[in-house]
Amino acid sequence: DQQVKQNSPSLSVQEGRISILNCDYTNSMFDYFLWYKKYPAEGPTFLISISSIKDKNEDGRFTVFLNKSAKHLSLHIVPSQPGDSAVYFCAASPATGANNLFFGTGTRLTVIP
Amino acid sequence: EAQVTQNPRYLITVTGKKLTVTCSQNMNHEYMSWYRQDPGLGLRQIYYSMNVEVTDKGDVPEGYKVSRKEKRNFPLILESPSPNQTSLYFCASSRQGVTDTQYFGPGTRLTVL
Repeated sequence: DQQVKQNSPSLSVQEGRISILNCDYTNSMFDYFLWYKKYPAEGPTFLISISSIKDKNEDGRFTVFLNKSAKHLSLHIVPSQPGDSAVYFCAASPATGANNLFFGTGTRLTVIP
Repeated sequence: EAQVTQNPRYLITVTGKKLTVTCSQNMNHEYMSWYRQDPGLGLRQIYYSMNVEVTDKGDVPEGYKVSRKEKRNFPLILESPSPNQTSLYFCASSRQGVTDTQYFGPGTRLTVL
């Protein structure tokens, strides 16, 4: 049973516009969330994270929003660049410093020049 | 250069023939983990290790074994591979747990005939 869901398998955005990637989770015990980016033929790389004590975390062009009551998080990329084209995975963990990590199914972002 | 290496990168084998995928990191990380990536399922955690001689099951441990005899190495063992273990495998490491930045290896594509 998928505890972390990314319902949009793909997303296309024009260069310079905002990309919004969504993620939903079912387990109320999750309290730490991460986004990873993956290029073809490479391993995932860490992008940004957020703890459940926050509702927003920002790092340059990337912002993650967390809505705990809705069990929903989103990743905003502004402005989108062609180099952002990749598969994005959200992931959730039961606690800070925990050992288990549950990933979503991924969203393929294509940024059109 | 800080990195996680996996070998082999590609492997085609037959059902029942024991195999080992090696994973090594040069960052002196305490935590290491194995994941498999399958279409429509995202990444799923197989096993993890908090330190030498300390290992535990992830979400999908059936059919796999691991060992952590040295801090830098975390091999994944398939004692009797089956076709449903055909997948893309990633090893990852971090200082402590999944909420620290995990560094992923480049992946091992395994096909079991």
